[in-house]
Amino acid sequence: ELKVEQNPLFLSMQEGKNYTIYCNYSTTSDRLYWYRQDPGKSLESLFVLLSNGAVKQEGRLMASLDTKARLSTLHITAAVHDLSATYFCAVTDDKIIFGKGTRLHILP
Amino acid sequence: GAVVSQHPSRVICKSGTSVKIECRSLDFQATTMFWYRQFPKKSLMLMATSNEGSKATYEQGVEKDKFLINHASLTLSTLTVTSAHPEDSSFYICSADPGSYGNTIYFGEGSWLTVV
Repeated sequence: ELKVEQNPLFLSMQEGKNYTIYCNYSTTSDRLYWYRQDPGKSLESLFVLLSNGAVKQEGRLMASLDTKARLSTLHITAAVHDLSATYFCAVTDDKIIFGKGTRLHILP
Repeated sequence: GAVVSQHPSRVICKSGTSVKIECRSLDFQATTMFWYRQFPKKSLMLMATSNEGSKATYEQGVEKDKFLINHASLTLSTLTVTSAHPEDSSFYICSADPGSYGNTIYFGEGSWLTVV
């Protein structure tokens, strides 16, 4: 059974700081997704990582994938308040399984 | 980018009635769509995989007769909550896989269901 574990589940940080969210998964998968969810809203696609060593960056967010370690990271650089949201990683088997999400709260 | 439209965005219904939620892929064809349920401050729970032209595949613990899924065309899947009860109140989200159109899975805007 495919399992996806995220940590931390909750993160409160100051603006301007850097931090990393980790996503571990239990079996091989050909795709790893990162999504953002704002309160009361649906999911917004951030990144899709397809291969070992893949790195993608958008603004202050950077995602990477290590398929051998079955680990993906979402790194936040110089956080700003607008990045406050819940971030989910998800992995495909024959279906998409989500981690529990990381609630990120950035203090102004 | 690809768009998945979900309707209604909010619905209130009385206990015992049924409510239908639609999920449409607006600019691509989706042979597979997924339905999720999300409780407040929780992750998404996959309910079922909707397959165009065939029966949906339900996850363990999801009642097939209560949550009816119909994927009548390559751009439309519907979820009908039958004989709704207050405990069915939740945020329901659909997603669609665009296949060769794109690499990611696109999500609808979600539907808030409140059963009173």
